[in-house]
Amino acid sequence: SQQGEEDPQALSIQEGENATMNCSYKTSINNLQWYRQNSGRGLVHLILIRSNEREKHSGRLRVTLDTSKKSSSLLITASRAADTASYFCATDRGSQGNLIFGKGTKLSVKP
Amino acid sequence: NAGVMQNPRHLVRRRGQEARLRCSPMKGHSHVYWYRQLPEEGLKFMVYLQKENIIDESGMPKERFSAEFPKEGPSILRIQQVVRGDSAAYFCASSDGGSGYTFGSGTRLTVV
Repeated sequence: SQQGEEDPQALSIQEGENATMNCSYKTSINNLQWYRQNSGRGLVHLILIRSNEREKHSGRLRVTLDTSKKSSSLLITASRAADTASYFCATDRGSQGNLIFGKGTKLSVKP
Repeated sequence: NAGVMQNPRHLVRRRGQEARLRCSPMKGHSHVYWYRQLPEEGLKFMVYLQKENIIDESGMPKERFSAEFPKEGPSILRIQQVVRGDSAAYFCASSDGGSGYTFGSGTRLTVV
């Protein structure tokens, strides 16, 4: 079964607005990662947050992790049309050797 | 420093044929993972391999699918007697055993 579940499934915003996507998971994790996928393309790694971290920043991206609630959020500030893509969270349980992905949030940023 | 290379990018097969998908990991990476993505879905783990060993194949269908990562050469995901339901994007990722995974651009398989 899917470990990660993102919400919302789809999000449409205007350029310049902030976009927030959430991810919930079920089991304990070693780290949680966010990826972006443009339509018909491969995955691009955005950011990794370890289980002992609560917040991480990278450019316009801010990720939070709440292990007590088994949830994470990805915030994209000052969105651009080029941010239009699907965003996936993936959990890494460490010794298990593979990532478990959610179904993704499809973000559309209108110019 | 090439990333993960997958080929072909697109593959069309008729029902009943075999599909062979190749993945060359990043230089220095000895861990390879295969994932399948159906339209509008997330990636589903299939198999995890290290050189000459299958470590975890819990996501592989029981029949028609096999994977290998030989001592020399790329990792191969092989699908025998393809059916329409096998149509999907197949992604390969590699790692050095740490937390960083690098994904290839995928192979889009269409079964007609």
